[in-house]
Amino acid sequence: AQTVTQSQPEMSVQEAETVTLSCTYDTSESDYYLFWYKQPPSRQMILVIRQEAYKQQNATENRFSVNFQKAAKSFSLKISDSQLGDAAMYFCAYRRSYDKVIFGPGTSLSVIP
Amino acid sequence: DADVTQTPRNRITKTGKRIMLECSQTKGHDRMYWYRQDPGLGLRLIYYSFDVKDINKGEISDGYSVSRQAQAKFSLSLESAIPNQTALYFCATSDSGQGLNEQYFGPGTRLTVT
Repeated sequence: AQTVTQSQPEMSVQEAETVTLSCTYDTSESDYYLFWYKQPPSRQMILVIRQEAYKQQNATENRFSVNFQKAAKSFSLKISDSQLGDAAMYFCAYRRSYDKVIFGPGTSLSVIP
Repeated sequence: DADVTQTPRNRITKTGKRIMLECSQTKGHDRMYWYRQDPGLGLRLIYYSFDVKDINKGEISDGYSVSRQAQAKFSLSLESAIPNQTALYFCATSDSGQGLNEQYFGPGTRLTVT
């Protein structure tokens, strides 16, 4: 069965600095999709960034980028120029084609002014 | 108006009571999901439905049941609530399982069972 692991329950970063959140997953599939979702204190789930497994190029969305290492089954999220509004729970998620999404346990990110 | 709505937003109930959480969506998606969120455990899938006639158990379906009344409505029931069902519950929808289609989440229901 597929699993998603986030080894950092909590992280902190200084405002304006860069932080990287780790995510690893276990799968035997070659075609799948990976996502990072953000959950601020409002508890609303918000999509941050997504990546197709068959694309070598790492996805970027403004200050958010990923480091996708398919062979290592790793999908880390880098947040550059951290802002106070980035403080939230971050969930890594995996989905193979036509299937349900599997979420990791989450990383709580604090941003220090 | 929100694309995915959940009612109630917060609920306190007693052990043994039956409770229903409701989810409605205006996105026209076929796929709907119910998740439970607990600290340190992330979002765990309770039930999911890929269309009106398709209902599937997720990883933690014991103690829960669902009803897909229409494409737009998917309800979660706790037949006899117990304290360890205290959690944050999310409904989500998606268009299909192909491509980079994301899930759209409701605002969540905070359920407390005393």
